[in-house]
Amino acid sequence: AQTVTQSQPEMSVQEAETVTLSCTYDTSESNYYLFWYKQPPSRQMILVIRQEAYKQQNATENRFSVNFQKAAKSFSLKISDSQLGDTAMYFCAFPQAGGGADGLTFGKGTHLIIQP
Amino acid sequence: GAVVSQHPSWVICKSGTSVKIECRSLDFQATTMFWYRQFPKQSLMLMATSNEGSKATYEQGVEKDKFLINHASLTLSTLTVTSAHPEDSSFYICSARASGGVYEQYFGPGTRLTVT
Repeated sequence: AQTVTQSQPEMSVQEAETVTLSCTYDTSESNYYLFWYKQPPSRQMILVIRQEAYKQQNATENRFSVNFQKAAKSFSLKISDSQLGDTAMYFCAFPQAGGGADGLTFGKGTHLIIQP
Repeated sequence: GAVVSQHPSWVICKSGTSVKIECRSLDFQATTMFWYRQFPKQSLMLMATSNEGSKATYEQGVEKDKFLINHASLTLSTLTVTSAHPEDSSFYICSARASGGVYEQYFGPGTRLTVT
């Protein structure tokens, strides 16, 4: 079974700073997808970024980027120039069987607070 | 595009009654829908995978007779909590994968269930 571990229950940074959220996972699959989701106070889940394991290049979406270390099974999220609207719960997620079309296993989440 | 709705957004029911939650894909066809449960200040846990026209697949530990799932069309899946008890009080979230979609899951806004 896949496991996803987020070891930072809460983080707080000042606006405009850079913050990195960590995630490790365990899988026996060789090809798979990884996701970071954001859940703001509205509780609507929002996809932040995805990474395909077979791609060497780390995914980037505007201010959000990942550091994907396949051998170490590590998938951290870096948020640059943090904004107040980034305050939310962030969940790392891994498909049940590795494939992108599967139901997701989520980490416990990191509550990110951006201070003005 | 890619909007998923849930109805109702909040429901209160008495212990012993049943309640139905609807999940609709508004602008795309979804062959697969997923149901998650989220307790306060916790992560999402996959309950079941619902495929149009076939029986749902339940995760280990989820009572299929208590949480009835019906995916009758390509745009609608329903979750019925039967004989609800206070411990069933939770936030229920559905997601939908577009037909032919590789990995993208679109999440509904969630339904808060309170059983008194």
